[in-house]
Amino acid sequence: NAGVTQTPKFRILKIGQSMTLQCTQDMNHNYMYWYRQDPGMGLKLIYYSVGAGITDKGEVPNGYNVSRSTTEDFPLRLELAAPSQTSVYFCASTPSGTYGYTFGSGTRLTVV
Amino acid sequence: EDKVVQSPLSLVVHEGDTVTLNCSYEVTNFRSLLWYKQEKKAPTFLFMLTSSGIEKKSGRLSSILDKKELFSILNITATQTGDSAIYLCAFTVSGGGADGLTFGKGTHLIIQP
Repeated sequence: NAGVTQTPKFRILKIGQSMTLQCTQDMNHNYMYWYRQDPGMGLKLIYYSVGAGITDKGEVPNGYNVSRSTTEDFPLRLELAAPSQTSVYFCASTPSGTYGYTFGSGTRLTVV
Repeated sequence: EDKVVQSPLSLVVHEGDTVTLNCSYEVTNFRSLLWYKQEKKAPTFLFMLTSSGIEKKSGRLSSILDKKELFSILNITATQTGDSAIYLCAFTVSGGGADGLTFGKGTHLIIQP
């Protein structure tokens, strides 16, 4: 099983550029999440979704957007990249929202 | 505000030592506390604790939750260099929401040969 797949693994953006981080899961999980992790910090929740067509903000949503048109895909969009968005981004999914979290391998993003 | 505090933030020990990592939390509507190990990439699941006083064990790792005092510990006995990692704890809340895991900053554990 592929689990949770994130692409790309690494990316360098210039200030003001935009990009989409892709996340796909093949476990038919309803709940999907985007986290960011800065050095020396735990993971902070950006956005989450409880099913196709439903998304909601997490702790640090500013500067990001998401969509959930299918159960499998949960892309994260950065519209105007800023240096403060330099981080490692993790996508996760779970069948229930309370256990069984599966994380993707992460996307390391640098904004210069 | 709900939060998780882990201690120590970093720890260096020698192979064979026993370590205890601490996690305290403040949250309303607590549901569960989870421990993860993070090496180079994504966090990998270790334990989920929901009941107070019941120890979970997996090989040399064990964890216990105290819901009255709002903390959990993760013990690693006979440490090996492969135990070097960041150990994260996180909680989930009950109440019908699905707003994910709230993480602490982690404990960076280094095991020296």
